[in-house]
Amino acid sequence: DVKVTQSSRYLVKRTGEKVFLECVQDMDHENMFWYRQDPGLGLRLIYFSYDVKMKEKGDIPEGYSVSREKKERFSLILESASTNQTSMYLCASSLFAGLAYNEQFFGPGTRLTVL
Amino acid sequence: AQKVTQAQTEISVVEKEDVTLDCVYETRDTTYYLFWYKQPPSGELVFLIRRNSFDEQNEISGRYSWNFQKSTSSFNFTITASQVVDSAVYFCALVSGTYKYIFGTGTRLKVLA
Repeated sequence: DVKVTQSSRYLVKRTGEKVFLECVQDMDHENMFWYRQDPGLGLRLIYFSYDVKMKEKGDIPEGYSVSREKKERFSLILESASTNQTSMYLCASSLFAGLAYNEQFFGPGTRLTVL
Repeated sequence: AQKVTQAQTEISVVEKEDVTLDCVYETRDTTYYLFWYKQPPSGELVFLIRRNSFDEQNEISGRYSWNFQKSTSSFNFTITASQVVDSAVYFCALVSGTYKYIFGTGTRLKVLA
């Protein structure tokens, strides 16, 4: 079974703190993604990575950065957390398929609250 | 610009009723992929189906069926004889050109016993 795990289910941080969200997949997938999910807005892509050390901005990268030093691990970093970053964060991975697009496998999510 | 619209925010049905979830997409690309995902109360999105733009055949999987119509840019999802376990948020998604999957805002389905 494909498994995507996220370091925490729930996280509470203070404004201004540096926050690390970790994601690990065990299926040797090339592609990894970070989304945030907010009521009424669906899933919005923050960053994605199609290879180690490679990253691409998604639709809402402001206030976030990412790191992918190993194929199986993709980290999302909030340099200075703000209250408007309170959200559910979802990590996903997918297998590279050339010109096609495979389905994504999602982790259980991290509900981050910034006070 | 690419866009996915799920106009139905929430649907409630009584168990055993059929229900259709609508998905309308916009893209200028001729090659694209469409997906449906289910997000149960536990929170983890589960993949249901993938369809590419060159395959307009409808698909049936048990009580689930999908109707892909390029002429109307729609990829609708029907659950036949709904069950309480079908209660979830359902997302439609589109991707083409890059790895920027575009998700709709989701439809919350409540199946009442």
